[in-house]
Amino acid sequence: DAKTTQPPSMDCAEGRAANLPCNHSTISGNEYVYWYRQIHSQGPQYIIHGLKNNETNEMASLIITEDRKSSTLILPHATLRDTAVYYCIVRVGDFNKFYFGSGTKLNVKP
Amino acid sequence: DVKVTQSSRYLVKRTGEKVFLECVQDMDHENMFWYRQDPGLGLRLIYFSYDVKMKEKGDIPEGYSVSREKKERFSLILESASTNQTSMYLCASRNPGGGRPTEAFFGQGTRLTVV
Repeated sequence: DAKTTQPPSMDCAEGRAANLPCNHSTISGNEYVYWYRQIHSQGPQYIIHGLKNNETNEMASLIITEDRKSSTLILPHATLRDTAVYYCIVRVGDFNKFYFGSGTKLNVKP
Repeated sequence: DVKVTQSSRYLVKRTGEKVFLECVQDMDHENMFWYRQDPGLGLRLIYFSYDVKMKEKGDIPEGYSVSREKKERFSLILESASTNQTSMYLCASRNPGGGRPTEAFFGQGTRLTVV
């Protein structure tokens, strides 16, 4: 699976959009981009995934660059409850192993 | 909703003890995983199982073993607990997607302290 690089931490004001970047320059054509988050003292929670098209669900939007070497997770209106560590993962869709890096600690401030 | 349940949230064990961490999922998932999580290191894969009685080593299997006798249950075993196994342990499950991506569901974690 391709390696991902994320900033260790970011701040965001409550009510504003949070844009979390991820670099995955070695991604291959059949690898998907996944995002999970982990709120303190809980297990990771799935947010969204995509291959090459932008995706949106009730939690977030995922923007993947045309060359697929980077992506951005967007939380459109961040709340205090969105304070968490966000993990970007790339992996082949049906491959069994699932690797996490160190993620980005998002601090949403009032 | 999928539920992945880990038997304990907090455990304290003595060095040298044999420790069992249990994980049960209720969605008939084929794949199950054990990770440990340490500050600054993210989640590291210990073992995973792609079906009953099947297992494969992850990145850090040393000092651990696993058991999957039934589809819904995946046990992590510390053969002889050591202080460097003090960590948060997370279990996850998913179904393979037949080439399509599927999400993994995680338990709440077990914080193990070895003294």
